[in-house]
Parts: sequence; C-alpha cells; structure tokens
Amino acid sequence: EAQVTQNPRYLITVTGKKLTVTCSQNMNHEYMSWYRQDPGLGLRQIYYSMNVEVTDKGDVPEGYKVSRKEKRNFPLILESPSPNQTSLYFCASRSVSGTGVSYEQYFGPGTRLTVT
Amino acid sequence: QKEVEQDPGPLSVPEGAIVSLNCTYSNSAFQYFMWYRQYSRKGPELLMYTYSSGNKEDGRFTAQVDKSSKYISLFIRDSQPSDSATYLCAMSETSGGYQKVTFGTGTKLQVIP
Repeated sequence: EAQVTQNPRYLITVTGKKLTVTCSQNMNHEYMSWYRQDPGLGLRQIYYSMNVEVTDKGDVPEGYKVSRKEKRNFPLILESPSPNQTSLYFCASRSVSGTGVSYEQYFGPGTRLTVT
Repeated sequence: QKEVEQDPGPLSVPEGAIVSLNCTYSNSAFQYFMWYRQYSRKGPELLMYTYSSGNKEDGRFTAQVDKSSKYISLFIRDSQPSDSATYLCAMSETSGGYQKVTFGTGTKLQVIP
C-alpha cells in the first residue's frame, strides 16, 4: 500500500529537549516536505527536499532542521523545542513529471506535538 | 494580506444540500489549483485539481476556477454525512524549478443527516 508514515503520532515534551519526528514514504517520490498546521493559519511549509541531499527552507523554518540521506526518509529535527512549536505536523511526498509539474501530494497521518 | 483567503466556517448543511466552498487569492503567478479534503485526525488527501479557468467535474464534485477574478470554488452536490470534513484549497506556482504549494486555512463542513 502506497503511504507516508510518521512517528510518533503523539508527543509531549519539555522545552529544550531535542526530538526527532521520522517520516518515510514507499512510493519512490523525489519531493518531500514538512508542514505544520495551526488553527487560523492553515498548513505552512517548514522545509522541503527535491531529492537526496537537496533540502531548502520553506515559509517557517526557524527552529527546525531536516536531512535527506535516503530517498524514502525525511526526518524533522527540533534541536531545542519551545512552546511555540506546539502544533500538528505533517510530512508529505510527491512525484514529479517530466515537465516538473505534480498535482498530488500524499500526506502522512500527522504528529501532534506539545511542548511544555 | 494572505496570498490565499478561505472562510473557515464552520458550515453546517442538511444532507442532500448543494455545498459551495470558496477561496480567493492575490498571487497572479498561481497556475494550478487543487482541493484537498481532511478528515478529523487524518492528513489531507487530494480531491480535485485543475489548471485552467472553467469547470471540472468529478462525480458529485465540481471545481471552478475564475483566474480573472482570482476566485476558485468547489461545489458538492447531494451532500452526504461522509462529506463532513475540512476542505482545503491549494494553489501552486513554479519558482526556481520548484513547484511551491500554498494552502488556504480550510473550511470545516458538517453535513447533518
């Protein structure tokens, strides 16, 4: 089954304690992204990756790091989490056509993070 | 001003009603327009996409784009309780070889049996 998986699904942590949220896709997609979803603000892109070892900042990258060492995995790292990073996080992947256009992003089930 | 504006609702309709969901945008560079559906505690999933101005139909769903007015709509005919979800509009532009997608904030829809 084609899917994007994220772990953990729920996480409560304290300020300053480093954490990693894993993301994996089994569709051999080139593009992967991380989003956070907040009430009234919608989905905002944190980081994206166009392929292995190619990553770039999205709209809200402060406080986050990513890496793409393998095509299928795209972990999100919070080196020193703060309460304003409490949010619902989604990983997404998509393929790219020969023209560089793709319509459909496949989203993971989400990770609800609370930082106290 | 946000690039994409979407009324958050909630929108509550009786079963069988026609539902109209709308988004406006300000960025003329947006080329592709999409609608995603998000059920509670799930990730968004693509419902429909379109490129040009005009209508695109898929079963009970019709996506409409008016580029001159910078306005897109999603119509749901014969709405069902299973349509209860949050609907996100999304628009994309290509910049530096990357297709960047911008999402609306979502409209929460409840269809009452």
